[in-house]
Amino acid sequence: QKEVEQNSGPLSVPEGAIASLNCTYSDRGSQSFFWYRQYSGKSPELIMFIYSNGDKEDGRFTAQLNKASQYVSLLIRDSQPSDSATYLCAVIHGSSNTGKLIFGQGTTLQVKP
Amino acid sequence: EAGVAQSPRYKIIEKRQSVAFWCNPISGHATLYWYQQILGQGPKLLIQFQNNGVVDDSQLPKDRFSAERLKGVDSTLKIQPAKLEDSAVYLCASSFRRTEKETQYFGPGTRLLVL
Repeated sequence: QKEVEQNSGPLSVPEGAIASLNCTYSDRGSQSFFWYRQYSGKSPELIMFIYSNGDKEDGRFTAQLNKASQYVSLLIRDSQPSDSATYLCAVIHGSSNTGKLIFGQGTTLQVKP
Repeated sequence: EAGVAQSPRYKIIEKRQSVAFWCNPISGHATLYWYQQILGQGPKLLIQFQNNGVVDDSQLPKDRFSAERLKGVDSTLKIQPAKLEDSAVYLCASSFRRTEKETQYFGPGTRLLVL
């Protein structure tokens, strides 16, 4: 079992729709969860982080965390073609005192005009 | 604020050759990370420094990879000798501290192709 799992996609949504990206993790003690966006040929950039169960909203982005189910998701409302990228879920294990990020393989999102 | 700088941006070498990458983190960031990202995969941590000391190098192939951060600022990552499977993007990242809530900022990466 991979430590952080994502569906590689591609996930295709029409412009203006809600894109839902999902991630599961294996370490029940994980404390910190991050979503990075990576455009083709570019480096990852942080979109959101979430530490507590529930929802966290930032503009068109909402991160959702359910520690009991070991599940974290990212919702993108009113998707735009510029949102087309690979979205990486990353987790810091609860046992880690180094801040080491464990990344999933990423989900490719395609937003079609 | 200047971001994480890396050089070179691209490198093509033949197998068994050596190569070195350079990284300059964001000013004031004590923690520096080197990641390897193979096409289609997420980044994988190779080595983490706190100032000039190694915090985690558990996934660094030490028979061929080495890294240093002598003065606690710039860092170099070396591969010697390179193998075909080392073809990847090598990302450097930095953060202010190494806590579990610290954001990591990534550099543009060095794209390595081993022929």
